[in-house]
Amino acid sequence: EAGVAQSPRYKIIEKRQSVAFWCNPISGHATLYWYQQILGQGPKLLIQFQNNGVVDDSQLPKDRFSAERLKGVDSTLKIQPAKLEDSAVYLCASSWGLAHYEQYFGPGTRLTVT
Amino acid sequence: KNEVEQSPQNLTAQEGEFITINCSYSVGISALHWLQQHPGGGIVSLFMLSSGKKKHGRLIATINIQEKHSSLHITASHPRDSAVYICAVRSNSGNTPLVFGKGTRLSVIA
Repeated sequence: EAGVAQSPRYKIIEKRQSVAFWCNPISGHATLYWYQQILGQGPKLLIQFQNNGVVDDSQLPKDRFSAERLKGVDSTLKIQPAKLEDSAVYLCASSWGLAHYEQYFGPGTRLTVT
Repeated sequence: KNEVEQSPQNLTAQEGEFITINCSYSVGISALHWLQQHPGGGIVSLFMLSSGKKKHGRLIATINIQEKHSSLHITASHPRDSAVYICAVRSNSGNTPLVFGKGTRLSVIA
């Protein structure tokens, strides 16, 4: 079974530039999560999708971050414009369903904003 | 105060030692997860438990719901066990997201 795929693995941009991350979850997984992990911290949920609908985006900074999962499969997370404090690892995870299912994580995208 | 507290923050052990990492949480939970994160970012789920004890190879996870506490044990530790171990909990109040601890950085020296 293929795991959760993410790209790119690394990205360096200047502040005020835009960036997009892509995630392809495990086939058949209805729930997809985007997390932000700042160095030395645990992951923080940014947004959770169930199929192509948003379940929770309460911690997503909507003035600069956006995410979509149009066909209920792969997803894109965008930052526009980036700030220095956005430097982090962005993790995508997927699971069969909500709440009581194990989450499978992708390798993450390490973003550096200079 | 973070809802999930882990101790220690950093741990260095000699190969072969028995290792314990602790996790305390402050809310009622439906499940607790132990995760392993290697350098480079990838996270692997080790255990998901809501009561008792689970064992997988050299890893053992226990949870005490009444005391709101869980431990992850590694027996006969090996340098390849070096990683960050993260505890995460899901509250039992509705469909709430996982809340993660800051992790415990383990280094096992040969």
